[in-house]
Amino acid sequence: DAGVIQSPRHEVTEMGQEVTLRCKPISGHNSLFWYRQTMMRGLELLIYFNNNVPIDDSGMPEDRFSAKMPNASFSTLKIQPSEPRDSAVYFCASSFRSGGPQETQYFGPGTRLLVL
Amino acid sequence: TQLLEQSPQFLSIQEGENLTVYCNSSSVFSSLQWYRQEPGEGPVLLVTVVTGGEVKKLKRLTFQFGDARKDSSLHITAAQPGDTGLYLCAGEEYGNKLVFGAGTILRVKS
Repeated sequence: DAGVIQSPRHEVTEMGQEVTLRCKPISGHNSLFWYRQTMMRGLELLIYFNNNVPIDDSGMPEDRFSAKMPNASFSTLKIQPSEPRDSAVYFCASSFRSGGPQETQYFGPGTRLLVL
Repeated sequence: TQLLEQSPQFLSIQEGENLTVYCNSSSVFSSLQWYRQEPGEGPVLLVTVVTGGEVKKLKRLTFQFGDARKDSSLHITAAQPGDTGLYLCAGEEYGNKLVFGAGTILRVKS
């Protein structure tokens, strides 16, 4: 299994530009999570999907952030316009939700975003 | 959102020493997970504890869930340089949503 795939692995952009992060979950998984990790705030959940439907987006910082999951094998996290404070490592994770507790979330390698 | 406090934030020890990392909350979680993250990679699940008082062992790592399911500990025996990394605890909220602690950076020197 290839695991969770994220692209790009590194992104450097200028303030005001649009940034799109991509994620391909593990085949067969039905839940997908977007996290952000910074030194100051640690690992924070931004949004998660179940069966391609957004379930909880309470962690999305503001309207500049949006996420979509058009099908079971692809998701995007978009920041428009980007700001320097958005600089962080963004992780995508996926799991198979069977309705019970104790799911295992599998994380991708992350996208390191630097907004100048 | 419930909060998880991890301690210590940073630990630097010599190879062969023992150590314990703590994860505490004032709230009850349905389960608690421990992850290890290496530089440039995503977190990888080590263990999930579910029952109050539960103890799980993974080679030299021992994980314990508090009786009230509010706290947990990770004990490493005879630490090795390969144990170096960021250790994260995560509590499971409703809907399988995880809340993470700030993490403990462990450095094991040879």
